[in-house]
This record gives sequence, C-alpha cells and structure tokens, in this order.
Amino acid sequence: QVPMVQSGAEVKKPGASVKLSCKSSGWTFTRHYVHWVRQAPGQGLQWMGIVDPRDGSTTYAPKFQGRLTMTRDTSTSTIYMEVSSLRSDDTAMYFCTCSLANEYYFDLWGQGTLVTVSS
Amino acid sequence: EIVMTQSPASLSVSLGERATLSCRASQSVPSNVAWYQQKPGQAPRLLIYSASTRATGVPARFSGSGSGTDFTLIISSLQSEDFAVYYCQQYNNWPPGGTFGPGTKVEV
Repeated sequence: QVPMVQSGAEVKKPGASVKLSCKSSGWTFTRHYVHWVRQAPGQGLQWMGIVDPRDGSTTYAPKFQGRLTMTRDTSTSTIYMEVSSLRSDDTAMYFCTCSLANEYYFDLWGQGTLVTVSS
Repeated sequence: EIVMTQSPASLSVSLGERATLSCRASQSVPSNVAWYQQKPGQAPRLLIYSASTRATGVPARFSGSGSGTDFTLIISSLQSEDFAVYYCQQYNNWPPGGTFGPGTKVEV
C-alpha cells in the first residue's frame, strides 16, 4: 500500500499552469502537515511549501510566492498544488511528503510527478 | 536561510568498506538534521533524524552523529543496495521544510 499517491506526469508550455495531486492512503489525512519538495533533473531537493490539511492554511517558500497555491479536499483525502506562470526551469520531479511525527523531516513520500515545461 | 554543504560530492567505495559522509550547516542547528538516501527514479528515503536516530527499518550499518554545525553519516560496511545519493537536511530554522545539502553520491 503506497501511503501517498501522486498524479501522473505533465507536459506544459511556458506560461501555463499545472495542478498536481497527492492522495493519502492508510494514514489519517488531517493529522499530518503535507509538504511539497521538488527536484530539478540531476539536482538536489528544494522545499516549496506546506499545507495543514485540518484548516487548509499554507506557508510557501519566498521563491514561489505568488505562483503557488496549495489546497486540500478532506472528502477525498487529497492535497493539490498548483504552480502558475510555468518556466522552463520549473521542469522537475515534484514530491509530496510528510512526517508521521509532525516534525519537519520526512518519512512518507509520494512517488513523484514529473513536470516538463517546454515550448 | 541556512546553507547546508556536503562533502565529498562523490565517494568511490568498495563493497564491505566504510563510507563517511560529511554535512556542514552555515549556522548552528543543534541536532535538527536528517539524512536521506535516494536511488535513481525513486523518492528519497529517510535514514536518520535528530542527527543520530535511525528511522524505522533502517539497518544498523547506518549511523549519524554530530551537533551544532558539523554532522556525519557513516555506512559501516557498504552493501550493493547502498550505492545512491545521500542528502542531509536541517529543519531547525526557516523555512518550515528546512534546507537540503547538495548531496553526496556514493558509487562503486
């Protein structure tokens, strides 16, 4: 059983938006903050933001302010992240992740969603 | 924002040998450091948190140490499944998800 199941790969043109999903399975959705982390090809890990599934409150990394929207649907135990005004350097694997201890290290991960931005 | 640096960038090790990976924070993060292992095409896997606590299911050959600004991950006897990239993360300071080091690639 995969604890966090992400949506499939996306190909977008520059300037477009993309909305990714992350569905929880086998754990209590509203008990754990969900984070998004991205990884450009061949690069390291970059934290993007956090959403509290209980009330939908969010905090985003300054780098993504204004382009990022994280939401949740408690009826389906799903977290969404929308990235707008896509650029070629947004091409990356996007992971949802959380900590079962509600700490800020991450022990549950989704399988990742590859977003390719290309004209 | 705290900057995490890792050394070396890559490490060539033989099966059964010991590997020592280093991570340094640009300012003190007490013991709020985690280590992850990532294999190609996979999500990272948590190995160590609180600088020295092994995550559930992590073999005892993995050990972490350090506090303040200097941290070490040791793989005592490398197995074939240990060849991967290892990242350290500080989660003491902003941003909430911390910051990651650039990684150390452990290869044969």
